[in-house]
Order: sequence, then structure tokens, then C-alpha cells
Amino acid sequence: NAGVMQNPRHLVRRRGQEARLRCSPMKGHSHVYWYRQLPEEGLKFMVYLQKENIIDESGMPKERFSAEFPKEGPSILRIQQVVRGDSAAYFCASSPAAGMNEKLFFGSGTQLSVL
Amino acid sequence: DAKTTQPPSMDCAEGRAANLPCNHSTISGNEYVYWYRQIHSQGPQYIIHGLKNNETNEMASLIITEDRKSSTLILPHATLRDTAVYYCIVSYQGGSEKLVFGKGMKLTVNP
Repeated sequence: NAGVMQNPRHLVRRRGQEARLRCSPMKGHSHVYWYRQLPEEGLKFMVYLQKENIIDESGMPKERFSAEFPKEGPSILRIQQVVRGDSAAYFCASSPAAGMNEKLFFGSGTQLSVL
Repeated sequence: DAKTTQPPSMDCAEGRAANLPCNHSTISGNEYVYWYRQIHSQGPQYIIHGLKNNETNEMASLIITEDRKSSTLILPHATLRDTAVYYCIVSYQGGSEKLVFGKGMKLTVNP
């Protein structure tokens, strides 16, 4: 049973470009969480999605950031017109049901570098 | 904001027990204490959780004080691979509750 898969592992973008980060949850998991980790800081919650629905996006910046979790395929975190401050590690986690915090499995993350 | 406070760092000798403290003085009656850890450049990993009773699993033990205002994570025989940032988190179970990570505590296990 494969774990949470994130790709790419590393992503380099120039300022103004778009970044697309993908997350395939564990088999049987229908809940996905995205976190961002700036250098030398803890993880910050961004968004929580269930299949085709955004449940909580209280941690998402209001502009340039969006997330989706379609019925088929991986969850996508999209950052438009990236800026240097978007450089961070982005982690995705999945769980089999809502609120099962002990069943949160994290991927290895995508390291985004904005030049 | 995180509802827990942890010391920023701690050292431990390899093979000895590592006792990691956490204060959560504002914890609610139905909030659980969760521990996760993050080894360098990897995603966080679940360790253990508890409500009011002490808990033990293959990775660690969790001791929660009777008033539930603090807890201690115990790694009985620390190894070099236990070097990581450890996060103590309080959260409800169920619903749309998500985990809120603080800055955690860096544990360094020395040979």
C-alpha cells in the first residue's frame, strides 16, 4: 500500500510563473490536507479538502493560491504568479475520515524554490 | 495558534530515555494530546496520542498529568534516528478539526 505521494519533489519557478503541486492520497483516503513550512519554522495549515469539496481554507492566502481535489485524480495546490516569499516546503497529508488526527499520513513534500 | 508550549531543544545520549515535556494548560475536556515528529526534510510522522490515560505503543509512551495540563513523551531507548523535531499538539477528534503545529522541540540524540 503506497503512502502519500507528492510530486514533484523539487520545483523551481521564476517569479511570475505558476506552480502546480500534486498529491495522491493513500488508497482509501478521501480527506486531504495541505501544509506549508517556511525555512526554520513549523508547519502551517493551509487547506483541508474532501473529494470535490473544500472543507476549510482558513489558512490559504486570499490571492494567487487555490486547491482542488477532483473526483478522479490527485489533489492539486496551485500557486499563480509566484513570488520569492512562496519558497517553502509544501506537505500534503491524507486521512481515511474526518477528524482522525492519529491517522494523518504525510507525504515527503514538494520543495518550491522561486528564483 | 498552537495551544501548547515546548522547550525549543533538548539533547539526549544514545541508549538513554528521552523525556520530552509539553505544557497545554488551556486544554479542553475533550481535546486529545497528539505527538508527531519530523525528521529532517521529511513529512511529519504520527507517534502517539491520548486523552487522559497514559498510553504506550511500539514507538513511545505518553504520560498525561491528572489535571491534563501537561504531558511527557518518553522514548525509552533513544537512537540516533530519533533525532527530529517533535510536535506536541492538542486537538479535538472528529468533525473538520485539523492539526495545528507549533514550532516543536528539536531533540538531538548524541552518540
